[in-house]
Amino acid sequence: AQSVTQLGSHVSVSEGALVLLRCNYSSSVPPYLFWYVQYPNQGLQLLLKYTSAATLVKGINDFEAEFKKSETSFHLTKPSAHMSDAAEYFCAVTSGGTSYGKLTFGQGTILTVHP
Amino acid sequence: KAGVTQTPRYLIKTRGQQVTLSCSPISGHRSVSWYQQTPGQGLQFLFEYFSETQRNKGNFPGRFSGRQFSNSRSEMNVSTLELGDSALYLCASSPGTLLTDTQYFGPGTRLTVL
Repeated sequence: AQSVTQLGSHVSVSEGALVLLRCNYSSSVPPYLFWYVQYPNQGLQLLLKYTSAATLVKGINDFEAEFKKSETSFHLTKPSAHMSDAAEYFCAVTSGGTSYGKLTFGQGTILTVHP
Repeated sequence: KAGVTQTPRYLIKTRGQQVTLSCSPISGHRSVSWYQQTPGQGLQFLFEYFSETQRNKGNFPGRFSGRQFSNSRSEMNVSTLELGDSALYLCASSPGTLLTDTQYFGPGTRLTVL
């Protein structure tokens, strides 16, 4: 079984400040991890994914995440927040040979960016 | 390449009715996954189809069903609608050959059950 926990349903930062969105996973086999962003009334867009090639993953719009097996974490960071980053962010996991096409999502974190 | 398209975008039904939602994947993608998104339960996996076969299924009642056609387009059907079925239904397509394949999401169909 696999699961994802996102700590903090709401995160608020000032424009230009560091963004840190937390994600912890549980998986009995090596996981593959994803971060998606969802803007209002839209579908989900991939920010980045961990495929076991490198533990530090860089994505679009200066987002990055680090896979830490010892902490079972895959936190998302961005050095400097922009107003356009305000959205809902989802961490997701898939693992195991029978999980094709199946992502298990966390509950989401709404990011608010203040001017 | 054109993205994933879903039709219709909005739908209003009454309890007891049935509904069919459609999803057209990115050209060349053979896998289509469906998800239900609600404020209370978040994003939940419904099922996945690959080359016209259901390969994975989530924990939803049998009222939720789907199918995939030879051109990879997919439909999902919900019969005997309940108020709790009100949700945003998202489909996503991918090549479907690797666990690490990126799933590309459509804009969703917002279903309201009255």
